[in-house]
Amino acid sequence: DAGVTQSPTHLIKTRGQQVTLRCSPISGHKSVSWYQQVLGQGPQFIFQYYEKEERGRGNFPDRFSARQFPNYSSELNVNALLLGDSALYLCASRLSGDTDTQYFGPGTRLTVL
Amino acid sequence: GQQLNQSPQSMFIQEGEDVSMNCTSSSIFNTWLWYKQDPGEGPVLLIALYKAGELTSNGRLTAQFGITRKDSFLNISASIPSDVGIYFCAGQFSGGSNYKLTFGKGTLLTVNP
Repeated sequence: DAGVTQSPTHLIKTRGQQVTLRCSPISGHKSVSWYQQVLGQGPQFIFQYYEKEERGRGNFPDRFSARQFPNYSSELNVNALLLGDSALYLCASRLSGDTDTQYFGPGTRLTVL
Repeated sequence: GQQLNQSPQSMFIQEGEDVSMNCTSSSIFNTWLWYKQDPGEGPVLLIALYKAGELTSNGRLTAQFGITRKDSFLNISASIPSDVGIYFCAGQFSGGSNYKLTFGKGTLLTVNP
């Protein structure tokens, strides 16, 4: 079975632009979470979605938004990009139960110039 | 954002040696996870721990969930060159429907053949 997939793999944008990142969870997984990983740090939680509803939000500005579709795939949108938004953006999927663990995709490397 | 205290920050060892790393938190968790991340990739799950005091093995890897629920350690026995990478601990407190992961800053492991 395919794991978590993300697109694109790499992206270069300039300050002020907007970006959309995409994630497809493992088949059967209903929960998707997004994380930002700045170089040299561990991933930081941005959003969690379950059954198309937001179930958690990390300490990120309103420029960050996301949504989950009926097929459980998800998009992360970032508006008015800043240099500091340059990072690896990771998507993780989870089945749905309390003990279900999260499995990560390969990430999208975003560079803001 | 919050990150767990993970140590050591980096390790340089000879092939065949054993490795130990640990993670502490000021908050309790009801799940501890250990991931390994290779350059340009997403974190890959190594071991998941769901119960205080639990000791779990996965091949040459052994991890324990601390009794206080505020710490965990990971041991790697008889290291090999492919163990090279960054190891992250992550804690999860499944309160309500929020399953966000809080990560440590990672331990960079280098194995000299």
